[in-house]
Amino acid sequence: QSALTQPASVSGSPGQSITISCTGPSLDVTAYNFVSWYQQYPGKAPKLVIFDVSRRPSGVSNRFSGSKSGDSASLTISGLQTEDEADYYCCAYRSSGTLVVFGGGTKVTVL
Amino acid sequence: QVQLEESGPGLVKPSETLSLTCTVSGASVNIDDYYWAWIRQPPGKGLEWIAYVHFGGSPNYNPSLKGRLATSVDASRNQFSLNLTTVTAADTAIYYCARGKIAATSRGWFDPWGQGTLVTVSS
Repeated sequence: QSALTQPASVSGSPGQSITISCTGPSLDVTAYNFVSWYQQYPGKAPKLVIFDVSRRPSGVSNRFSGSKSGDSASLTISGLQTEDEADYYCCAYRSSGTLVVFGGGTKVTVL
Repeated sequence: QVQLEESGPGLVKPSETLSLTCTVSGASVNIDDYYWAWIRQPPGKGLEWIAYVHFGGSPNYNPSLKGRLATSVDASRNQFSLNLTTVTAADTAIYYCARGKIAATSRGWFDPWGQGTLVTVSS
């Protein structure tokens, strides 16, 4: 059982916006903003799409955005495209114990 | 462009030791701002962080695996390594190495990742 909870699946039509939630006590540390998100295609390594809650790495589409409030973080994909169909994982850094925890992953389907 | 590549046996017998090496190109492993990480993913399942290693400091391990883990950094070869002892079928997974960040205002993310290597524990 993952320390962070994500919905198993989220779907949307092309052009729509979807939001993937990530919740857990690990996130309820308002002094820290160390949440990241990863996109993973089948058979491929994960790719960083959001770090430090809302920062986008160079080269990642601005259709990806992140936010955090209390013990919940979110990844929003706007203008959904077929290429966005993949698994997405949230990740949080903690100051003690298990330093890094991942969510169980969310499968995004583009209808 | 930083690239990482895992190498090691694809099959390990139960109770034996799993040994993997990650070779880094495009960056030096002995750099202050970055850590080097091991992460695994059982087939069809989610991601699990294993360890952080740093050339100049003590490693950090997932408590669920602590006691079975050993890691090292070889700056001369620009590599870092993972040893996991007394493996069982539950350790069957794709093992990834990645560059990680731990800094005062930015930490806990991994980029880039290696392509991953499947290690199967079976007799």
